[in-house]
Amino acid sequence: GAGVSQSPSNKVTEKGKDVELRCDPISGHTALYWYRQSLGQGLEFLIYFQGNSAPDKSGLPSDRFSAERTGGSVSTLTIQRTQQEDSAVYLCASSAEILYEQYFGPGTRLTVT
Amino acid sequence: GIQVEQSPPDLILQEGANSTLRCNFSDSVNNLQWFHQNPWGQLINLFYIPSGTKQNGRLSATTVATERYSLLYISSSQTTDSGVYFCAVGVEYGNKLVFGAGTILRVKS
Repeated sequence: GAGVSQSPSNKVTEKGKDVELRCDPISGHTALYWYRQSLGQGLEFLIYFQGNSAPDKSGLPSDRFSAERTGGSVSTLTIQRTQQEDSAVYLCASSAEILYEQYFGPGTRLTVT
Repeated sequence: GIQVEQSPPDLILQEGANSTLRCNFSDSVNNLQWFHQNPWGQLINLFYIPSGTKQNGRLSATTVATERYSLLYISSSQTTDSGVYFCAVGVEYGNKLVFGAGTILRVKS
């Protein structure tokens, strides 16, 4: 079956612009996670959804970052007023239920110039 | 928060050699996953192994949760095994993954 998909695969934006990153989880998966991979910080958790609710937003680095999930499926991560330090690969993962194995998408490479 | 340490940080092998990668974690966890990140950045699931031993072809893994470590064994290595291997532990109610820094493996032909 289809895996986790993310779009766009690459995004170059100017400092100060807003960006939206999209994640389509594996069909039927109730849990969805966002992570970020950068050279200096490794792989780090941002936020997770159980259904459409986000019980843990503790990894979001600032209030410029927000995320939503609709219909228990697609999720969008929005970064407002992008900064150069936001440059990273943003990864989405989903699992059938909380505590189950997580499967990752190919990521979105964000470059802020 | 929990600490996840992987060793060695770098490993160079001749094709056909065997290797063992280690993951230590500092607290109890919900579960543990091993991933291989390929040159295109995709994280490939290797094992979901909160405890016990599993095998998949040339790869096997063992997690001893009570002693807070996991081992990944690669036998008869191939050049396609090259890449970064990550250990990640699931913590807290939401099971968010905390990743180690990874082991960079290079297999030479």
